[in-house]
Amino acid sequence: RKEVEQDPGPFNVPEGATVAFNCTYSNSASQSFFWYRQDCRKEPKLLMSVYSSGNEDGRFTAQLNRASQYISLLIRDSKLSDSATYLCVVNPMDSSYKLIFGSGTRLLVRP
Amino acid sequence: GAVVSQHPSWVICKSGTSVKIECRSLDFQATTMFWYRQFPKQSLMLMATSNEGSKATYEQGVEKDKFLINHASLTLSTLTVTSAHPEDSSFYICSAREIDLSDRNTEAFFGQGTRLTVV
Repeated sequence: RKEVEQDPGPFNVPEGATVAFNCTYSNSASQSFFWYRQDCRKEPKLLMSVYSSGNEDGRFTAQLNRASQYISLLIRDSKLSDSATYLCVVNPMDSSYKLIFGSGTRLLVRP
Repeated sequence: GAVVSQHPSWVICKSGTSVKIECRSLDFQATTMFWYRQFPKQSLMLMATSNEGSKATYEQGVEKDKFLINHASLTLSTLTVTSAHPEDSSFYICSAREIDLSDRNTEAFFGQGTRLTVV
């Protein structure tokens, strides 16, 4: 089983739509969670950290469910510029501070 | 925000030659840097954790003699792909975090990546 699993998509949605991605992780001791965004042939960039209480940043909302070991990202009012691959990232509970990436979910927002 | 600079952004080399990729943290000290590899339409796969002043820690399945990592200073880590072959062609990305023991949510900053093509 992969440490971090995501539906690869693609999710093809019209502008203005609401879209949600889920991600599951295998290490129940994991402590830190993130969503990164990666555009084609570019480096990943942090979208938001995911906190236990859930957090929101504008049109983006992240949720963490520790009991079920999954993380979600909700994007409201999708924009064309939201088209990208969204990477679920987990920091396993060890001393290395390394990040483990999911395979990414591709989002295509059409006019 | 912190910036990580990676060089070169792309390189084409002949099979059998070695290629060095540099990763620099520009405005913070990075005691730990990470090297990833990404094949087309796949996720970033962690290759190794580079620790300043000590040997790198390699992930399972990554050949340490083929992918030489040197982290000689707090702002520079290098990855050398030795005797490169076409199957080593990939997108290599470095990352660094400002380690804060009280906050595991510190952002990881990524270099721009190096697209290696071995012909």
